Amino acid sequence: GDSVTQMEGPVTLSEEAFLTINCTYTATGYPSLFWYVQYPGEGLQLLLKATKADDKGSNKGFEATYRKETTSFHLEKGSVQVSDSAVYFCALVGANSKLTFGKGITLSVRP
Amino acid sequence: DTGVSQDPRHKITKRGQNVTFRCDPISEHNRLYWYRQTLGQGPEFLTYFQNEAQLEKSRLLSDRFSAERPKGSFSTLEIQRTEQGDSAMYLCASSLANQMNTEAFFGQGTRLTVV
Repeated sequence: GDSVTQMEGPVTLSEEAFLTINCTYTATGYPSLFWYVQYPGEGLQLLLKATKADDKGSNKGFEATYRKETTSFHLEKGSVQVSDSAVYFCALVGANSKLTFGKGITLSVRP
Repeated sequence: DTGVSQDPRHKITKRGQNVTFRCDPISEHNRLYWYRQTLGQGPEFLTYFQNEAQLEKSRLLSDRFSAERPKGSFSTLEIQRTEQGDSAMYLCASSLANQMNTEAFFGQGTRLTVV
């Protein structure tokens, strides 16, 4: 079945540092790929998405590129802020139309 | 408020009791999902509906769990004879599933504590 693997966390960075969070997937066909974010005390929100190979999703300074050859969708941000502290989930929607999540990774950004 | 709403936000129950949660999706959304999330884990799929039809049910869902979406609008998730292992956040999401790539919108969740 479909699956999503995220790098182990947590991740702690200083403000303005560069962020990379790795995500790889296994799915049949051509899934759509998503990053969701969960801020403290809030529900899950879509951060960005990409629906086909080589698409780049972007939002709030975050970017991720759909790499079919490496089955990856790594999340990057050039300069993180304290307000980016949250839990980040990589997810996919596969041929069965089901949304499958990775385990999530907690990001803490120090001032 | 046009978002996904869940009720109650918190539920504390004694082991062995039955509980029921409600989810009201975004009004035009035809697909509705239930997930369970425990601390340090990503949301685990439980079941989903396309309109009133329940299309898939996870193997995680024992026969103590049942979900309905009687008129293709709101949904309920019932847990019978609750166990301590049922303690978790139960999340509902909805989407307009005319395309595979459609975003799912999540509610705030219902946090269940079984004592």
